[in-house]
Parts: sequence; structure tokens; C-alpha cells
Amino acid sequence: NAGVTQTPKFRVLKTGQSMTLLCAQDMNHEYMYWYRQDPGMGLRLIHYSVGEGTTAKGEVPDGYNVSRLKKQNFLLGLESAAPSQTSVYFCASRTGTANGYTFGSGTRLTVV
Amino acid sequence: KQEVTQIPAALSVPEGENLVLNCSFTDSAIYNLQWFRQDPGKGLTSLLLIQSSQREQTSGRLNASLDKSSGRSTLYIAASQPGDSATYLCAFLSGSARQLTFGSGTQLTVLP
Repeated sequence: NAGVTQTPKFRVLKTGQSMTLLCAQDMNHEYMYWYRQDPGMGLRLIHYSVGEGTTAKGEVPDGYNVSRLKKQNFLLGLESAAPSQTSVYFCASRTGTANGYTFGSGTRLTVV
Repeated sequence: KQEVTQIPAALSVPEGENLVLNCSFTDSAIYNLQWFRQDPGKGLTSLLLIQSSQREQTSGRLNASLDKSSGRSTLYIAASQPGDSATYLCAFLSGSARQLTFGSGTQLTVLP
């Protein structure tokens, strides 16, 4: 089925460990986004990309890095995980301003 | 900076009632508005998309309106059902990054 796929779905990390979250879309969308969702704070934009090879910072970029080497993939990296990064991470993509966003099912990350 | 407020934060109604969820925004320079549904522990499902030039959109029992002059959007749910129980999020596409800015959501419970 066409859409946005996130892997992994769940992960537990120890403080200081690193990991990469993968987002893949098969809709040929130009724009891709990483959000985090925390209780009572809604979804906040971490990083985004407006096309292959481009990345930019969102509202809460500290502690994260991203890469968009291929149009269909957008990777979110945590170099040294901290408990404050415990959250649910959502990837989204879209094409054109007139079209809505399509979201992945999320990755639930716990940092202990 | 776009700020989005959703009222009420939680709502409980008996089955069969018609209800209205409210969303307000501060920056009228938006491209579009999207209403989402989120079930516990799940991702975001797009319900309705309203372009900046439109006033409302309808899908089945759902009707969403947009009033840019007053900075408000409403989601009307007719003849509510227990299966409508979920968190409803409004989000506005705006800014140079064309990013979505989310409200913190309204948690709806429809009692059988």
C-alpha cells in the first residue's frame, strides 16, 4: 500500500546511545518532515526537507540530525540519546501546497 | 509564529449528539487547514483538508469550516457514535517552510 513507512515502531535506548529512525515514502513526494509528539505539547517540528539532498531545522532541532540522500527516504539520527528525547516520532510527507500531509504510524522511543 | 489553540481539551457526550470542536489560530497567512484523528497509540489519520480560499469541506458526518478573518475553524460531527472516540487535531500549513503547526488536540469520548 502506498504511504509513509517508519521503522522501527518501538525502541528502548540507554542514555548516550545512538540510533537512526528511517522514514520511507513511495508517493514521490518532494517534502518530508519529522515531528515529535509529547503529552500536552502537541506535535512539534524537528527537521524537514524540501527535496532530495536538502535539510533544514524546525522548531526543536537540538540533539537530532537528518539526511535525505534519496528522495524517498528521510533519516532522523540521535547521536547521544537523552531521557528528554523520550517521545513518539512521526514522519510525514506531502507534495504541493494544495495537498495535505500523509503521516507514518510513528516510532515510540524510550530513553532510560 | 503561528499559534494554534483547541478548545475544549476534552469532551464527553452521549451517543447520537451533534457536536462542535473548535480551533483558533493567530496568523491568517495560511495555505490550508487539515483536521486529523488520532486513536490511542496510533498515527494520524487525515479527515478533511480545506484550502485557504475555501470556507468549508464535508465528508460523511463531518463538516469543517474555516474563517480566516476571525482566525477560527470548527469541526462539526453529526450523530456521534462510540467509534468517533479519539483525539482530534487541527493543523495549519503556513510559513516559509510550509510546515504544519498543530493544536494540542481535543480528546472526544462518545458514550454508548
